[in-house]
Amino acid sequence: DQQVKQNSPSLSVQEGRISILNCDYTNSMFDYFLWYKKYPAEGPTFLISISSIKDKNEDGRFTVFLNKSAKHLSLHIVPSQPGDSAVYFCAASDGNNNDMRFGAGTRLTVKP
Amino acid sequence: DAGITQSPRHKVTETGTPVTLRCHQTENHRYMYWYRQDPGHGLRLIHYSYGVKDTDKGEVSDGYSVSRSKTEDFLLTLESATSSQTSVYFCAISERQASGNTIYFGEGSWLTVV
Repeated sequence: DQQVKQNSPSLSVQEGRISILNCDYTNSMFDYFLWYKKYPAEGPTFLISISSIKDKNEDGRFTVFLNKSAKHLSLHIVPSQPGDSAVYFCAASDGNNNDMRFGAGTRLTVKP
Repeated sequence: DAGITQSPRHKVTETGTPVTLRCHQTENHRYMYWYRQDPGHGLRLIHYSYGVKDTDKGEVSDGYSVSRSKTEDFLLTLESATSSQTSVYFCAISERQASGNTIYFGEGSWLTVV
C-alpha cells in the first residue's frame, strides 16, 4: 500500500518562477515529513523537513507546507533555478516505526 | 558527504547466483538501512539495523538477508538472485531511529540480474 503519494510524475517550470511539488499521505500516524532531492546516478540528499506540530518550514529558497487535516504537504521552490532540476521524493515517518515511507518521486525540470 | 561507501557500485549477475552488497560508514551511526528504488515505487525499505547483530525486516524483505558484525558495516545478501531484484540499492544511516529524524543515503549500487 502506497502510504505516501506523489501524483505528478513530472513538472516543468521556467527559470525564476515558482515550483510547487505536492505530496499526499494516508497514514494519520505520520508525524515527521521530509523532502529529498536526487540527481541521476547519485543517492538522495536531504533537502528540508517539517514536524507535524508546525505548518510551515522555510530554508532559503525552499519552503515546505503541511496541511494535516488534508494529509497534504507541498514543497515550494522560489525562484527556481536550472540546478534544481532533479527528482524530488517526499517521505514520512511516525513515532512508533523505524520505517520511513517514500513517495514515487516527481521529476522537476527547470528550463532556462 | 554522509560518509557512506557502497560496493560494488555496479554489478551484473545471473539468475540464481548469490550476491552481496556492502555498505560502510565512517559516522559511527547506530542505525543503518537498505532501500531499493524502482520506478513508480520510490524507495522501499528492505531491512534495517539498530546495532551490531540487531536487525529487522522492512517493507520488502523477502529474498534478502542482512548482517551487521561491526558498527561500520552492513551487508545485504541476495541468496539466489531473481530478475525482480534488478534495482538500485541504497544504503542509509541515521544517528537515531528514522522517526522524527533525517536519514542520509549512500550513492547507490546498480544491480542487474539477467
